[in-house]
Amino acid sequence: QSALTQPPSASGSPGQSVTISCTGTSSDVGGYNYVSWYQQHPGKVPKVIIYEVSKRPSGVPDRFSGSKSGNTASLTVSGLQADDEADYYCSSFVGSKNWLFGGGTRLTVL
Amino acid sequence: EVQLVESGGGLVQPGGSLRLSCAASGITFSWYWMSWVRQAPGKGLEWVAKINPDGSETYYVDSVKGRFTISRDNAKNSVFLQMNSLRAEDTAVYYCVRDNNHSFDYWGQGTLVTVSS
Repeated sequence: QSALTQPPSASGSPGQSVTISCTGTSSDVGGYNYVSWYQQHPGKVPKVIIYEVSKRPSGVPDRFSGSKSGNTASLTVSGLQADDEADYYCSSFVGSKNWLFGGGTRLTVL
Repeated sequence: EVQLVESGGGLVQPGGSLRLSCAASGITFSWYWMSWVRQAPGKGLEWVAKINPDGSETYYVDSVKGRFTISRDNAKNSVFLQMNSLRAEDTAVYYCVRDNNHSFDYWGQGTLVTVSS
């Protein structure tokens, strides 16, 4: 099964908002409300920032929000900060207890 | 504090075997599904395998089926990944992760597996 499709890069200035898309099919993103998003700073371990499409774990700022429409999920980062510069990965349940990740998006804060 | 500590990575020749271990602390280990997720150098994340709380169910990504085996020992709060018939494309950092709320909420620091002659 192919990886979910994410743009390789995204950028924004401090204080702005940026949205990263994650496109799959009706067999994964469109079929389940089990999309999660992970933030990975260079050389660090991934950290979950959104689960079940739009829920935030404790401690994750509300500047991070998730949504889904059809086969595409989105992560929006509002009020961009320098520390938001990282790689972001989406993930979706694909049935039969399997999971699929997106190829990742490098977010640059200009 | 939840801690997942992997061990067992290293350099292995193509066709060889390696067994990864992950020791968990700070959680009631026997309640949770556990997974292994890998990341090839400079590449993205790939889910590899998962196991249910009592070890009776296991699932794998197609590329490792028949070569990798995930198992667990709840008495030792540990999960394992036996990797056989290793290939160059298996070279990656392997992360032990807790599967919870349909996401991977705790990650170990990872252990590097390099498959090369």
